[in-house]
Amino acid sequence: GENVEQHPSTLSVQEGDSAVIKCTYSDSASNYFPWYKQELGKRPQLIIDIRSNVGEKKDQRIAVTLNKTAKHFSLHITETQPEDSAVYFCAARKGDLNDMRFGAGTRLTVKP
Amino acid sequence: EAQVTQNPRYLITVTGKKLTVTCSQNMNHEYMSWYRQDPGLGLRQIYYSMNVEVTDKGDVPEGYKVSRKEKRNFPLILESPSPNQTSLYFCASTPWDGTDTQYFGPGTRLTVL
Repeated sequence: GENVEQHPSTLSVQEGDSAVIKCTYSDSASNYFPWYKQELGKRPQLIIDIRSNVGEKKDQRIAVTLNKTAKHFSLHITETQPEDSAVYFCAARKGDLNDMRFGAGTRLTVKP
Repeated sequence: EAQVTQNPRYLITVTGKKLTVTCSQNMNHEYMSWYRQDPGLGLRQIYYSMNVEVTDKGDVPEGYKVSRKEKRNFPLILESPSPNQTSLYFCASTPWDGTDTQYFGPGTRLTVL
């Protein structure tokens, strides 16, 4: 089955700097790659996603890039703010929703 | 308001005492699923349901049961809970409209003593 690895497990940046979180997946048939943000004590919420027919997608300060050949995708957050502090999860899916596999998560801390 | 609700939000119980965690969504979504979240392991799928009366196992189904008698409800049943089922549980629903967006419930923190 699909295996998703996420790095780093923790990331600390200064406010205003950029943050990059990387994920690799094992199954080349995976075609949907969402990113979730989970604040302390809250539920995961989708922040951006990308499909295998697209190489990059951007939404204001957040962008996701996908390299299908290397089987990795990354989350980029620019001009980080303290409210970006949270745990971020990547996921990969092939076919139906039941094939969704999550990474272990990255705890991002943005220092004021 | 469109939402996924779970009850209870917190539960402390003892080994072997049957319990049910309810999940309900008011968005008429076809797909629902249960996940458990443990430190360092991300979210792992327990069971999922494509529609009413259609359920199947996810990655970690042992010790759990589910039912889908109505479209809006998808309860998670632990017939004989054990301490290794202590975890944070999330229910999620997704519409079959091509968006693939999963809407998560608020979570249920379960402790089995």
